[in-house]
Amino acid sequence: DAGVIQSPRHEVTEMGQEVTLRCKPISGHNSLFWYRQTMMRGLELLIYFNNNVPIDDSGMPEDRFSAKMPNASFSTLKIQPSEPRDSAVYFCASSLALLNTEAFFGQGTRLTVV
Amino acid sequence: DQQVKQNSPSLSVQEGRISILNCDYTNSMFDYFLWYKKYPAEGPTFLISISSIKDKNEDGRFTVFLNKSAKHLSLHIVPSQPGDSAVYFCAASANTGNQFYFGTGTSLTVIP
Repeated sequence: DAGVIQSPRHEVTEMGQEVTLRCKPISGHNSLFWYRQTMMRGLELLIYFNNNVPIDDSGMPEDRFSAKMPNASFSTLKIQPSEPRDSAVYFCASSLALLNTEAFFGQGTRLTVV
Repeated sequence: DQQVKQNSPSLSVQEGRISILNCDYTNSMFDYFLWYKKYPAEGPTFLISISSIKDKNEDGRFTVFLNKSAKHLSLHIVPSQPGDSAVYFCAASANTGNQFYFGTGTSLTVIP
């Protein structure tokens, strides 16, 4: 398997624009996580899905953030409108929906909002 | 609020010596702990884990120790190698779900 695939790897956008980050989890994994990496908070869990259903979105910082998982092989994280403070690296990870199993991460999307 | 804390942002160690990375947690429901390693421009990769029924788990040069009463775990790398230079994240999960909570990371530099 190619692992968790995220696109784009880098995104530069202007403040106020809509940004969509994409993720393809590992085939067969039924849990998917979106994380944001910042210096202050490390890897911050934004939202996670089990079997395409959002289970916990309490980490989503504001209503400007939304995430979807229309099927088992695709998820999106959308920011609308984007702001400079959203600049960070966003990671997607997937795992089996079992206790005590590790998650596998994609390479991340570095978002810069100017 | 940060439920998993890594209070040392950075650590430098000489090649061949032991590296000790520390992690503290606040949630007593956490029962599974993991360490991830991250190189620049890459995603974190799983390194080693430990369940709360154990107090030690070893994998080659890497050993994780868990002190449940102190809510503290540590990762020992011995001997340290230059290729170990990376950011190390501690993570935890509870038996109420499979989401992971991460610390802020410790940047390890192993000096040749």
